[in-house]
Amino acid sequence: KAGVTQTPRYLIKTRGQQVTLSCSPISGHRSVSWYQQTPGQGLQFLFEYFSETQRNKGNFPGRFSGRQFSNSRSEMNVSTLELGDSALYLCASSITRDTTANEQFFGPGTRLTVL
Amino acid sequence: QKEVEQNSGPLSVPEGAIASLNCTYSDRGSQSFFWYRQYSGKSPELIMFIYSNGDKEDGRFTAQLNKASQYVSLLIRDSQPSDSATYLCAVRRTGANNLFFGTGTRLTVIP
Repeated sequence: KAGVTQTPRYLIKTRGQQVTLSCSPISGHRSVSWYQQTPGQGLQFLFEYFSETQRNKGNFPGRFSGRQFSNSRSEMNVSTLELGDSALYLCASSITRDTTANEQFFGPGTRLTVL
Repeated sequence: QKEVEQNSGPLSVPEGAIASLNCTYSDRGSQSFFWYRQYSGKSPELIMFIYSNGDKEDGRFTAQLNKASQYVSLLIRDSQPSDSATYLCAVRRTGANNLFFGTGTRLTVIP
């Protein structure tokens, strides 16, 4: 079974631009969560989508948004990029969301650099 | 107080020794506990999870959970140089699916 895939793997943008990142979960997985990883803050939760609905959101500004499609694929968008948005953006998928032993599997990530 | 705390290390152990990684969490409503391994430049890889008090073994890895003390640990037996990585502890609260991560412990296994 194929793992979580994310595209693109690397992105270089300039301040003020916007960016869209894509995530395809493991086949059969319906929950997709997004995380930001930086050296200073570590791994921080952005948001979670399940059945095309945002179920939970972390403490990030409204410039960060996302959506999920009927095939469970998800995209996240960052508008008006700032230098501090440079990070590794990770997508994680899980089969569902309400079970105790719900494992999350990470994709390879998208490395975003904002100049 | 941080949601999840780990000793950042670095932790160095000789090859063949037992590596002990520790994690504490602040929310008593936490339900499930996960250990991930992350090699430099790579994404986190799930090692194992635990949600009941006690020990859970998987090959060379043993996770230990003590909910009364809000403490989770990971033991790696017969440590190998390939185990050198950053180990991330993650916690999931009841009713939510997002994970709260510690800052990770960097482990180096010396040949």
